[in-house]
This record gives sequence, C-alpha cells and structure tokens, in this order.
Amino acid sequence: AQTVTQSQPEMSVQEAETVTLSCTYDTSESDYYLFWYKQPPSRQMILVIRQEAYKQQNATENRFSVNFQKAAKSFSLKISDSQLGDAAMYFCAYRSANEAGNMLTFGGGTRLMVKP
Amino acid sequence: KAGVTQTPRYLIKTRGQQVTLSCSPISGHRSVSWYQQTPGQGLQFLFEYFSETQRNKGNFPGRFSGRQFSNSRSEMNVSTLELGDSALYLCASSGPGNEKLFFGSGTQLSVL
Repeated sequence: AQTVTQSQPEMSVQEAETVTLSCTYDTSESDYYLFWYKQPPSRQMILVIRQEAYKQQNATENRFSVNFQKAAKSFSLKISDSQLGDAAMYFCAYRSANEAGNMLTFGGGTRLMVKP
Repeated sequence: KAGVTQTPRYLIKTRGQQVTLSCSPISGHRSVSWYQQTPGQGLQFLFEYFSETQRNKGNFPGRFSGRQFSNSRSEMNVSTLELGDSALYLCASSGPGNEKLFFGSGTQLSVL
C-alpha cells in the first residue's frame, strides 16, 4: 500500500516571500500521479498542481511549482510571492496510474499561515 | 458550469441512526468518489462509482455504502451511526480522462 507523509504540520510565511512545503511518499510502482490540493476554510479541496511520474520536468502553475525527485520519492511544493489568499491547508496526494479510477492517498496536511 | 454540489452542508444525528448524503457531480462527469476527513485519520478514500457501478472501495466497514444513479448523482449511506463517524464527507467528480478531481464543499456530519 502507498503512504504519503507531510512532515510539517504548520508553516508560516511572510507575504510576498517564498515557502516550500514538503511531501514524501512510499510506493513500489513506477507509474503514478502526484498532486497538491489546497483546502481553504470553505472546506472545498482545490487542485493546485499535478505531476506525472514519467515526466522528469517539474510541473509549474503560475506562482506554484514542484520539485519532484522520483528516486528520493519526494514531491515538494514551492509557493512564490505568497499572498494572503494562499493561507489554507495543503494536502499532498498520490494516485496509481496502474489502476482505473480516482482513489487518492492523502498526506496528513500542512497548515500554511501567511503573515501580512 | 455548476460545480460539485453536496447536500446537506451540515447534519446532526444520534448514535444508532442512519444517514444519507447526496452528491451531484459536474455535468458530464460520470465518476464520483467519496472521502472521509477527520482530525485524527485525515482524508480517507471511501469508494468510487462510475456509470452506476462501484469501481473502487476503501477500507471501511459495511455500514458505509453508496450508489450512483443514471444521471451520475450519488448518495452515500451510513447505517448504525457511531460517534467516530463524525467527520467531513467530501465528494469529488471527474470527467473523461480522469485527469482532475473536482471536489464539493462537503457535508459536516456530527454524531451525538
């Protein structure tokens, strides 16, 4: 079974600064997808960024980018130019590419606080 | 396009009762997944339905069941409620290619 670990329960960053959230995972598979989701107080999970394991290039979405290290099974999220609206819970998630469907395995989450 | 809609938003039940939660996916989406979120266990996968058939199932007791209708709307049922079933229940839908999951705002269930 796959596991996802987020070792930072809480992080804080000054507005306009850069912050990196850590995620490690354990799997015996070679083909899979990794995701970062944001959960604001509204509780709705919002997809931030997605990475396919077979792609060596790190995914980027505007101010959000990842550092994907497949051999180390590490998948960190970097948020540049942090904004007050970035304050939320962030979850790292894994999905196998070998199974049909959308069964995600989530990490425990990191609460990000943004200081004005 | 309307997003994923979950009803009700909040629910209070007592131990031993049963409850039904509803999820309407984004129009055109045929896959609906359910997740349970608690402070202690985090986010855990319950089950997924695709074209009215259960495609995947998580490690939950048989008290947790679901179904999907021909219009892709899904319901989740929990029978003989226990205090530990208090949680936020999230529903997510996805369309062709399964590339992205779109989540609803959840149903907060409190069992007293």
